[in-house]
Amino acid sequence: GAVVSQHPSWVICKSGTSVKIECRSLDFQATTMFWYRQFPKQSLMLMATSNEGSKATYEQGVEKDKFLINHASLTLSTLTVTSAHPEDSSFYICSARQGLAGAGGTGELFFGEGSRLTVL
Amino acid sequence: QKEVEQNSGPLSVPEGAIASLNCTYSDRGSQSFFWYRQYSGKSPELIMFIYSNGDKEDGRFTAQLNKASQYVSLLIRDSQPSDSATYLCAVARYNFNKFYFGSGTKLNVKP
Repeated sequence: GAVVSQHPSWVICKSGTSVKIECRSLDFQATTMFWYRQFPKQSLMLMATSNEGSKATYEQGVEKDKFLINHASLTLSTLTVTSAHPEDSSFYICSARQGLAGAGGTGELFFGEGSRLTVL
Repeated sequence: QKEVEQNSGPLSVPEGAIASLNCTYSDRGSQSFFWYRQYSGKSPELIMFIYSNGDKEDGRFTAQLNKASQYVSLLIRDSQPSDSATYLCAVARYNFNKFYFGSGTKLNVKP
């Protein structure tokens, strides 16, 4: 299947600092990437939809000024957690959609490995 | 009403048995349906997807879709302890621009 790489896998930072997480689609072009967060024993919560060359679409309740998303190319999206606080500690997962049926892909989502953020 | 509903489990089955995982969705406009497996501390990995009513088989896995009942299921034959994980049902809508995930069903396969 398609490969999505996420970096870093683990990050520990002090409260008030900013953290950037990268998500790359390695073997396909992803016009759309999605960012999720997941708390322990809970399901994935969609934070935002990242579209190449345009502004991200944020889900209700997600602060766009706190979670900055940039999708500068067809293979790279970044999530920056600004002024992180302990309550932002979570597992952040990106995913990329491999096109649509009839366009060289079947539309399914492929996930990155996830980034575990711990804010002290 | 949640977009996608799953029984959280845990579902316990003995090794070699058939595990049956169920999922219902609320919007009849949903286009395609996915099953993901997630091990603790890891990100989800795709098992299979289904678009059309009926059954779709891939190795030990069979996905079943009934759009009239808004119901999707995943059968795992000859369950192995390595199948123990949380299984997430996902539904795509709006031309694959929105994916909705269920809360997942935890499966335990006992040796």
